[in-house]
Amino acid sequence: AQKITQTQPGMFVQEKEAVTLDCTYDTSDQSYGLFWYKQPSSGEMIFLIYQGSYDEQNATEGRYSLNFQKARKSANLVISASQLGDSAMYFCAMREVLSYSGAGSYQLTFGKGTKLSVIP
Amino acid sequence: NAGVMQNPRHLVRRRGQEARLRCSPMKGHSHVYWYRQLPEEGLKFMVYLQKENIIDESGMPKERFSAEFPKEGPSILRIQQVVRGDSAAYFCASSKPGHRLAKNIQYFGAGTRLSVL
Repeated sequence: AQKITQTQPGMFVQEKEAVTLDCTYDTSDQSYGLFWYKQPSSGEMIFLIYQGSYDEQNATEGRYSLNFQKARKSANLVISASQLGDSAMYFCAMREVLSYSGAGSYQLTFGKGTKLSVIP
Repeated sequence: NAGVMQNPRHLVRRRGQEARLRCSPMKGHSHVYWYRQLPEEGLKFMVYLQKENIIDESGMPKERFSAEFPKEGPSILRIQQVVRGDSAAYFCASSKPGHRLAKNIQYFGAGTRLSVL
């Protein structure tokens, strides 16, 4: 079974509107982290937002917010007031703690991504 | 304010040649990760290194691929005798060491696009 599922291969949104990108995950760990990255057409991976499994409040970073529903194992990204520059691939990722590292470092498991296109 | 630096950005090799990909982590970061991205796919973990140590190479193909992170200098991902199937984008990320439960962000470089002819 996939650990990270992004069910929307492509999404369109009108400029200045809000959009939600879906992400569900599968883990039996109690402690884990969820991340969203943006990949524009230039190819770099840009960190957007983080949510820890024990965080009581949903994460927010500027126009980005994470709708975290732990019981449903979902971590949807909400982008408010979409801009043309938001057109990109968006990847959801989960942290899997390496039990023998002991230093808080981890590998990320990524979903397949959602391609967001913002329409003027 | 240098981020994660990867070079080259684009690399073309013929089948059977060697490819060397370099990654310099962000200042203050001692943990390096390599990921591979195939077309239309998300990134797949390959290897996690700290200075002079390979911590986890569970995502590395068993043959032809190796990685190092020496005491001095960048981390190197080396692919020997490349084949067409090695064509992909290879990303390096770095992070600080930190408490297990702490937020610990991986910051990515711009990637190296490897094309095997």
